[in-house]
Order: sequence, then structure tokens, then C-alpha cells
Amino acid sequence: SSELTQDPVVSVALGQTVTITCQGDSLRSWYASWYQQRPGRAPLLVIYGKGTRPSGIPGRFSGSRSGNTASLTIAGAQAEDEADYYCNSRDYSGKYRIFGGGTKLTVL
Amino acid sequence: QVQLVESGGGVVQPGRSLRLSCAASGFIFNDYAMHWVRQAPGKGLEWLAVISNDGSKDYYADSVKGRFVISRDNFKRTVYVQMNSLRPEDTAEYYCARVTGDTDAFDIWGQGTMVTVS
Repeated sequence: SSELTQDPVVSVALGQTVTITCQGDSLRSWYASWYQQRPGRAPLLVIYGKGTRPSGIPGRFSGSRSGNTASLTIAGAQAEDEADYYCNSRDYSGKYRIFGGGTKLTVL
Repeated sequence: QVQLVESGGGVVQPGRSLRLSCAASGFIFNDYAMHWVRQAPGKGLEWLAVISNDGSKDYYADSVKGRFVISRDNFKRTVYVQMNSLRPEDTAEYYCARVTGDTDAFDIWGQGTMVTVS
């Protein structure tokens, strides 16, 4: 079955740039979307498709894909960016969805 | 205001059933596929099921196939998940979410409803 792999923990100094990655073979066929989840809150879509930000998402968030890896980059991380981040995509068939295991981002 | 509101969670004994509801407002409900996603305490997100905009197609994660059934009532603007033969490992926060054809992403989420199987 398809899987998406994320690093469990990533840290970044305040104001610096951080990239969170998501690896999976299905990403060669399908784009990933990225979700931010703060404690006790529902997930929030931050990036989808080729790297599009929904309305209201700060410009410091960007996304890209290369081969079987999707990346979420936060340029100039802020304290409020500390959260869990999840990638999601379709499986090979396109019928099912898969989430990565999540990355806990700490802003130091 | 575009909104999804889940309800129906609670404490249920193993082996019993529960039905969750997700009421939509602020958008044309029958234009969108709808999904259920859950999150066990302290764990990551797990996709469970999807139903097409007209209700003609549905797909399930292996972990719930044969036990959970997703359905929708476009007149009531509500999507459901019927959860049967519940297990302790089904204990989780359950979210419904909308996917648009434009984004192919979960752009709107409900606030979640907690199910405890014990």
C-alpha cells in the first residue's frame, strides 16, 4: 500500500527558514497538500497543488515537489508557526487518501 | 459562512455502533465530495472514507472497511458515518472535511467530535 513518510520532529530558530519533507512513491503522480494543526484545533490547509496558498495563509509558506518528495518551506519562521504539519495525497489508484505521519515543528 | 459541524460523538462500549453526522452550511453541498478523517489521542491524522458529491461512489481505508459506512443526504446538507463493531482502537477525534475539485485538498474541516470506545 502507499505510504507518505515525514520526519517526526523538526526545529528552527526564530526567523530562520525551515523545510519539512514528505516522501512517497504516489507523489510522482499526485500533488501533496499540507496541513497545520495546533494543539486542540482542527487541521488547517496551508498549501495545495503545485504550491498554492489558500487565502489568508501568510506568504512565508511555500510548497514544491521533486520526484517522490513534496516539501513545505517556511521562510522566516514565527513563533505561531510552532505546530504539527501533515502532508496528504492520493494513493496510486487515486481513489484513496493518505496522510503522512506528521512533523512536529518547534520554533526556538 | 462556510462551515462544517460534526455531532454524535460520545462513549460507547466495544462491539456497539454509533452514527456521526456532519452538517454543512455556507456552500453548495452537492458540489463537493466529503471525507471523514480521525485522530487518535496523541497520534496523527488518519483518512477514513470519502463519498462522491452525488453519493454514488464511496471508498474506505482498510482499517474501517466493512465496519464503517459513509453516506450523505444532499437535501439535509449532511454527511454521515455509521460506525459498527467499534473497537477500543477506534477511540479518536472524528473530523469531516470538504474537498474541492479545484484544490484536490481538504479546504474546510469541522471542529471534530470525540468518540471513546470503552
